[in-house]
Amino acid sequence: NAGVTQTPKFQVLKTGQSMTLQCAQDMNHNSMYWYRQDPGMGLRLIYYSASEGTTDKGEVPNGYNVSRLNKREFSLRLESAAPSQTSVYFCASSGTWGTSTDTQYFGPGTRLTVL
Amino acid sequence: AQKVTQAQTEISVVEKEDVTLDCVYETRDTTYYLFWYKQPPSGELVFLIRRNSFDEQNEISGRYSWNFQKSTSSFNFTITASQVVDSAVYFCALSGYSGAGSYQLTFGKGTKLSVIP
Repeated sequence: NAGVTQTPKFQVLKTGQSMTLQCAQDMNHNSMYWYRQDPGMGLRLIYYSASEGTTDKGEVPNGYNVSRLNKREFSLRLESAAPSQTSVYFCASSGTWGTSTDTQYFGPGTRLTVL
Repeated sequence: AQKVTQAQTEISVVEKEDVTLDCVYETRDTTYYLFWYKQPPSGELVFLIRRNSFDEQNEISGRYSWNFQKSTSSFNFTITASQVVDSAVYFCALSGYSGAGSYQLTFGKGTKLSVIP
């Protein structure tokens, strides 16, 4: 099992450009998440998907959109990138939504720089 | 609202020393889970442990041990006989009900541990 995979690993954008970060998991998990990690800030939740067909905003959703394409895949889109979106982005997945027993497993991250 | 505080931003120890990473949390939930994750210099996030709010027994896994004290809302992590490979950023996280039938993880800001040979 590959676990959680993310593409690309690195990306440089110019202000105003758009891009989609891809995430896939092969653990048959119901729930998927997108976080961003900034220096000294820990991880902050951008969006999550409790199950296929649902998405909800997290702590810092502005400037992002998501799509839960199917049970395996959850993408994050930046429609018009801004320098404030320079960050490391992590995708995660977990088993059963609705309980606090979830353990989230993380992908390797995407390092995004917006110039 | 939930909150996780890791007051130690950076810690440096000499190899073979013991080190404790502190984690204090706030929650109104009666049922919740606490986690520790490790982020080595390579950048990935590695799950270390999950502990539920009803289980206050300490846990030991090799050189790692965790001390959960509900009375002080703390979930501290001790590395015994530290090694250079332990150098990483360690995150404490709290899972709890966030409304509308959903649960989310709240992370602390992390403690960077440097183990000097």
